[in-house]
Amino acid sequence: NAGVTQTPKFQVLKTGQSMTLQCAQDMNHNSMYWYRQDPGMGLRLIYYSASEGTTDKGEVPNGYNVSRLNKREFSLRLESAAPSQTSVYFCASSEHLNTEAFFGQGTRLTVV
Amino acid sequence: QKEVEQDPGPLSVPEGAIVSLNCTYSNSAFQYFMWYRQYSRKGPELLMYTYSSGNKEDGRFTAQVDKSSKYISLFIRDSQPSDSATYLCAMVNYGGSQGNLIFGKGTKLSVKP
Repeated sequence: NAGVTQTPKFQVLKTGQSMTLQCAQDMNHNSMYWYRQDPGMGLRLIYYSASEGTTDKGEVPNGYNVSRLNKREFSLRLESAAPSQTSVYFCASSEHLNTEAFFGQGTRLTVV
Repeated sequence: QKEVEQDPGPLSVPEGAIVSLNCTYSNSAFQYFMWYRQYSRKGPELLMYTYSSGNKEDGRFTAQVDKSSKYISLFIRDSQPSDSATYLCAMVNYGGSQGNLIFGKGTKLSVKP
């Protein structure tokens, strides 16, 4: 049982480049989330999807877009990467909104 | 005032010690409480969760919630070097417009052999 799988694990981008972070869960969860984690800032919610077909902004959505492709998959896109988006990105899922979340192993992104 | 306050540490204890990790929160709408453990360069891992005030025990771990004081704790008995990690508290704000977990910033724990 893989749980939540994120790809890639590491990425270096140049300023202005775009990329998509992929996330898939095999727990048949309804809700999925994207967080970023920065030193001293803790985990901050970027976007979430309460259920298939819906997405909503979190605390820090600027510069990002998301797609809930199906019940299993939730992707995060950076259209024009900026150095301020250097961070560790975590995808998570939960059975329903407001229940305990399970996290992937993270993507370490550096924007130079 | 931040919604969830957690002492970042670092906290260093000898092997076998009892560890107490704490979070305070400001909003009485927080009703569902969790503790996560995060090893270095890994994702957070759910340790325990509870809805109610009082204690919940799981092996060497005890989660305690005091809603009247808006205070939650995680106790680790007989701490081991493998417990060295960052511990994050999290809670659900049922009064908020966003359905998400509010996390503390984490306490870094080091258990010395």
